[in-house]
Amino acid sequence: GAGVSQSPSNKVTEKGKDVELRCDPISGHTALYWYRQRLGQGLEFLIYFQGNSAPDKSGLPSDRFSAERTGESVSTLTIQRTQQEDSAVYLCASTEWVGANYGYTFGSGTRLTVV
Amino acid sequence: AQSVSQHNHHVILSEAASLELGCNYSYGGTVNLFWYVQYPGQHLQLLLKYFSGDPLVKGIKGFEAEFIKSKFSFNLRKPSVQWSDTAEYFCAGMRSQGNLIFGKGTKLSVKP
Repeated sequence: GAGVSQSPSNKVTEKGKDVELRCDPISGHTALYWYRQRLGQGLEFLIYFQGNSAPDKSGLPSDRFSAERTGESVSTLTIQRTQQEDSAVYLCASTEWVGANYGYTFGSGTRLTVV
Repeated sequence: AQSVSQHNHHVILSEAASLELGCNYSYGGTVNLFWYVQYPGQHLQLLLKYFSGDPLVKGIKGFEAEFIKSKFSFNLRKPSVQWSDTAEYFCAGMRSQGNLIFGKGTKLSVKP
């Protein structure tokens, strides 16, 4: 597609429920990144993919968070048993390859609210 | 550990004032640095980037930044701000693994 697409744009969920957030990168971009932006905070790195593999999962805050990517395209970030501190905007970005130094193209994000 | 820090949390200026937002990084090796902007209700956009060559880089909308290796800094500047520059500005650096690490951001409010 022309840009990075994320869905849903907004999600309200009850504490304890699981949620899935989707990212559709720019066509042909092999690198995909997930970040979290909590209110008043900067962007917190979660995980990145090169193709379908995730070499660095060190940013995932807990084992309730997981991500996968299939077919070098769509990625899904799953949060199990959501907690109120998971409320944030989850951002996805892509580049042609990991380390491409022309900068990321970001999606508009998914605003997750856990009530 | 590699890190990027922005010391100004919120900056308030009047239109036509000059702007300088601070950014410091703490890692060695190859340095790739970026400034992103997030206008209210919009997604993050790249303002400018540095990866080699002339340490003074020019970006969109009249912004520029200077890479000073001895000070580990990459400050963002604009000679004369406009109300439309009201936004949040993020400095970022590229880790050796290839992903970006971001500062906490600086909110800029420009009074008309």
